[in-house]
Amino acid sequence: EVQLVESGGGLIQPGGSLRLSCAASGFTVSSNYMSWVRQAPGKGLEWVSVIYSGGSTYYADSVKGRFTISRDNSKNTLYLQMNSLRAEDTAVYYCARGVVVVPAAIFYFDYWGQGTLVTVSS
Amino acid sequence: SYELTQPPSVSVSPGQTASITCSGDKLGDKYACWYQQKSGQSPVVVIYQDKKRPSGIPERFSGSNSGNTATLTISGTQAMDEADYYCQAWDSSTVVFGGGTKLTVL
Repeated sequence: EVQLVESGGGLIQPGGSLRLSCAASGFTVSSNYMSWVRQAPGKGLEWVSVIYSGGSTYYADSVKGRFTISRDNSKNTLYLQMNSLRAEDTAVYYCARGVVVVPAAIFYFDYWGQGTLVTVSS
Repeated sequence: SYELTQPPSVSVSPGQTASITCSGDKLGDKYACWYQQKSGQSPVVVIYQDKKRPSGIPERFSGSNSGNTATLTISGTQAMDEADYYCQAWDSSTVVFGGGTKLTVL
């Protein structure tokens, strides 16, 4: 059974740093396209970052230069290092597994975690 | 950057057909998918690759995509279908979500 379990959220002051973790089971993180998606309170879904199976990484403009996505193959875990946090980064952060068919540009998320809440406030 | 536009809300009576649109420049040249998110829960994919249904998703959910518009159609809408719905596409190695549509069944 595929499971994604996020952790690491909490209350952090503006300018601070936080690292989110997403522990996966039932599949291999390094063989898949893995993403972080966030949702501010009462707002819609916002894609944050993706790491391809080959290791390439991409970011939304809103977090580029501040957030870093990575994975630990030995722990089968996905991470999101968040630096220089701002109030507008307050959101529930979900990790999600992507299903990709590259030549046809098919990309969708078939499994999502339950999310972890990050609150940036003084 | 690529943008997807959805109506903020759609209302439908039980048993009727609900249609939710998602607009983007030449969206029909890409593949669209749709997620359902009920209050307090994580999103669930209900349509992928424009019109395919994952296992476990009722047949009343269907999708289409042509020109600049993708459409999610729910036939015989039930009270349990009340949720937020998001379209999503992939463009230039980035994932794009629509703003979301709140479906009310009344």
